[in-house]
Amino acid sequence: AQKVTQAQTEISVVEKEDVTLDCVYETRDTTYYLFWYKQPPSGELVFLIRRNSFDEQNEISGRYSWNFQKSTSSFNFTITASQVVDSAVYFCALSEVTTGNQFYFGTGTSLTVIP
Amino acid sequence: NAGVTQTPKFRILKIGQSMTLQCTQDMNHNYMYWYRQDPGMGLKLIYYSVGAGITDKGEVPNGYNVSRSTTEDFPLRLELAAPSQTSVYFCASSYLATGSYGYTFGSGTRLTVV
Repeated sequence: AQKVTQAQTEISVVEKEDVTLDCVYETRDTTYYLFWYKQPPSGELVFLIRRNSFDEQNEISGRYSWNFQKSTSSFNFTITASQVVDSAVYFCALSEVTTGNQFYFGTGTSLTVIP
Repeated sequence: NAGVTQTPKFRILKIGQSMTLQCTQDMNHNYMYWYRQDPGMGLKLIYYSVGAGITDKGEVPNGYNVSRSTTEDFPLRLELAAPSQTSVYFCASSYLATGSYGYTFGSGTRLTVV
């Protein structure tokens, strides 16, 4: 079973629009960590954010914000006023305490921001 | 600040050939990992190491071998390349187990087996 599901395969938005990338996870652990990574066209993986399962406070970093809801097992990522430089593949990942030595990655959402 | 360095960046192998993907980190991280990323997919763990001399299998270890003789280096060996191993390979490291921190990834090695 897929532990991390990113149902949106591809999204296209026009520059300055807001966009939300969905992430749903599955775990039986009470302690776990969630991550978002960005993979621009150049191919490297860039760390964006880490949340632990005990902290459901939403977080905002500039144009980026994250909404963590344990009740729905979701960790969604919103980009406000999107820019062309936001075009990338975005991966959500889960790390469980019981299997702490690996991430479970979603299949990624490819975001294209059209100028 | 080199971080995690992978070589080569690109490689084309013929079926049955062998090669080693190199990975070096200069952050004194204990934990190192090898992932593969197939087109349109997320990353899957091949092997990982929690310290020098200690390695263990991940989700997709078949067809690969690793060693960890030093803290800095974690090479990935393909003994008999197969087309199914065409993928992008990422090495990563972390100071502690991933539960506490995210990874630092290398820039990837794009491997094509023909």
